[in-house]
Amino acid sequence: NAGVTQTPKFQVLKTGQSMTLQCAQDMNHNSMYWYRQDPGMGLRLIYYSASEGTTDKGEVPNGYNVSRLNKREFSLRLESAAPSQTSVYFCASSEGLNAFFGQGTRLTVV
Amino acid sequence: RKEVEQDPGPFNVPEGATVAFNCTYSNSASQSFFWYRQDCRKEPKLLMSVYSSGNEDGRFTAQLNRASQYISLLIRDSKLSDSATYLCVVNMFSGGYNKLIFGAGTRLAVHP
Repeated sequence: NAGVTQTPKFQVLKTGQSMTLQCAQDMNHNSMYWYRQDPGMGLRLIYYSASEGTTDKGEVPNGYNVSRLNKREFSLRLESAAPSQTSVYFCASSEGLNAFFGQGTRLTVV
Repeated sequence: RKEVEQDPGPFNVPEGATVAFNCTYSNSASQSFFWYRQDCRKEPKLLMSVYSSGNEDGRFTAQLNRASQYISLLIRDSKLSDSATYLCVVNMFSGGYNKLIFGAGTRLAVHP
């Protein structure tokens, strides 16, 4: 049982490059989330998806887009990466109140 | 003001010590409360839920004071393996989904 799987685990981008972070869960959860974690800031919600086909902005959505193509997968896209987007990104899913997290993607934008 | 506030620590304690972490939240409409644990460079994982009546799980005791909007976690007989960051988490059901709001975390270092 894999739980929540994120790819890639590490990525270095140049300013202005684009990329997509992939996330998949095998727990049949309806809700999925993307967070970023920065030192001293805790986890901040970027986007969430309450169910397949729906997405909504979280606390810090600027510079990101998401796609929930099916129940399993929720991807996060950076169209034009900026150094301020250097962070650790976590995908999570939940059914009820307990959230399960992926292992994280460490992204550096230079 | 942050919605969930925690002392960042670090709390440096010897093995066997008792240590307590506190957390305050600003929104009185918050519905559910949790402590998550995050090991260095790993993902957060649920440690325990927090109930109004207080609850215990082995060496861990969680308390909630809704009137003061305050949550606590007590760890007794600390082990080296308890070294981690402890995240206070508040849940609100808003806009059709469960919104989990995380504190920045309190770091615990248990030494021999």
